[in-house]
Amino acid sequence: GQQLNQSPQSMFIQEGEDVSMNCTSSSIFNTWLWYKQEPGEGPVLLIALYKAGELTSNGRLTAQFGITRKDSFLNISASIPSDVGIYFCAGLSGNQFYFGTGTSLTVIP
Amino acid sequence: DAGVIQSPRHEVTEMGQEVTLRCKPISGHNSLFWYRQTMMRGLELLIYFNNNVPIDDSGMPEDRFSAKMPNASFSTLKIQPSEPRDSAVYFCASSLPGGPETQYFGPGTRLLVL
Repeated sequence: GQQLNQSPQSMFIQEGEDVSMNCTSSSIFNTWLWYKQEPGEGPVLLIALYKAGELTSNGRLTAQFGITRKDSFLNISASIPSDVGIYFCAGLSGNQFYFGTGTSLTVIP
Repeated sequence: DAGVIQSPRHEVTEMGQEVTLRCKPISGHNSLFWYRQTMMRGLELLIYFNNNVPIDDSGMPEDRFSAKMPNASFSTLKIQPSEPRDSAVYFCASSLPGGPETQYFGPGTRLLVL
């Protein structure tokens, strides 16, 4: 099936720094989603984007639906230790979900 | 409210044995999804049901895998016979009518096939 490419694959940052990650696809999606997965748990939805160009925030998180509909971006401002986890993007086309490869985030206190 | 419930949380079995994973979706959710997560392949959709009916099973790896949803509150994913390459975390997720993007994931079942 389709695979969404996320970058970077992993990040090690200092507490307080901002984080940026992105997700690209060769296909167009109607909806972009961002999830966070903590160790031993299932992914939890952070932000859903429904329209090209849309910019949506959830606390310190901001995500954008790319104009081409083939990419999306997630930013985390002023990172804190509990931001640690793996962040996944997902694209929705019809009723089919395609998940990204994940970005592993480590925040150093 | 209880979220998606999966059992068992951990399963260790020997190659060739039958494995049955169970899922109870969130009450009122009419779509149910089974995913497999591995380091190599990431998160893959195996099958999903809408109103207890399998809609797309194209992600099911092979005939050794089967999934059922006999009613709105219960689903199983069965592997028979199991192989070491089936070792993975299996997630169940459910979502509201008309809102596949609102799916909630269970905690997963960690399967190790020796």
